[in-house]
Amino acid sequence: EVQLVESGGGLVKPGGSLRLSCAASGFTFSSYSMNWVRQAPGKGLEWVSSISSSSSYIYYADSVKGRFTISRDNAKNSLYLQMNSLRAEDTAVYYCARDPTTVVTPNWFDPWGQGTLVTVSS
Amino acid sequence: EIVLTQSPGTLSLSPGERATLSCRASQSVSSSYLAWYQQKPGQAPRLLIYGASSRATGIPDRFSGSGSGTDFTLTISRLEPEDFAVYYCQQYGSSPGLTFGGGTKVEIK
Repeated sequence: EVQLVESGGGLVKPGGSLRLSCAASGFTFSSYSMNWVRQAPGKGLEWVSSISSSSSYIYYADSVKGRFTISRDNAKNSLYLQMNSLRAEDTAVYYCARDPTTVVTPNWFDPWGQGTLVTVSS
Repeated sequence: EIVLTQSPGTLSLSPGERATLSCRASQSVSSSYLAWYQQKPGQAPRLLIYGASSRATGIPDRFSGSGSGTDFTLTISRLEPEDFAVYYCQQYGSSPGLTFGGGTKVEIK
């Protein structure tokens, strides 16, 4: 069974940092691009970042560019999101999601993890 | 950036009825690169449709997608109790700047 499990969320002060992790299982992690998508409380979905299977191609939404860094460790079947200079508007549930295609630019997402909540507040 | 506008915001229907959800793009979505997701409260989104009309694995055939260019539709032919949820469209034609619509909530009338 394909499974994605996020961790690392929590409460952080504005300007602080947090590192999210996503553990993958049930598929050949090193073959797929991976993504982070977030959802503010009661709001819609926002794509955050994408990384290709070999980490050669990395993309960010303008809203997080320069503050967030996506990375992966294929040996550990893990995806990461380092979040710096956090703002109140970064408060959201963060989902990791697999791109099931072989194209390096992000496409559709399937499956998604259960998400981890990040709250930025003083 | 392509802006996706979903309508209506809320759709109130009874089980067994047909649901028609609209997703309109601010500019043409190349190659019908549009996906639909279902999200239930407290759960992650689930992929329903990709490529505007291809059903994802395990999705019942009462779900169908259609459209091209700037106008796309998700149709649920006969609503089952488990179909009441929020539905999002997403375009990936202008990737990496992909975007989601604001969602349509299908609620029980």
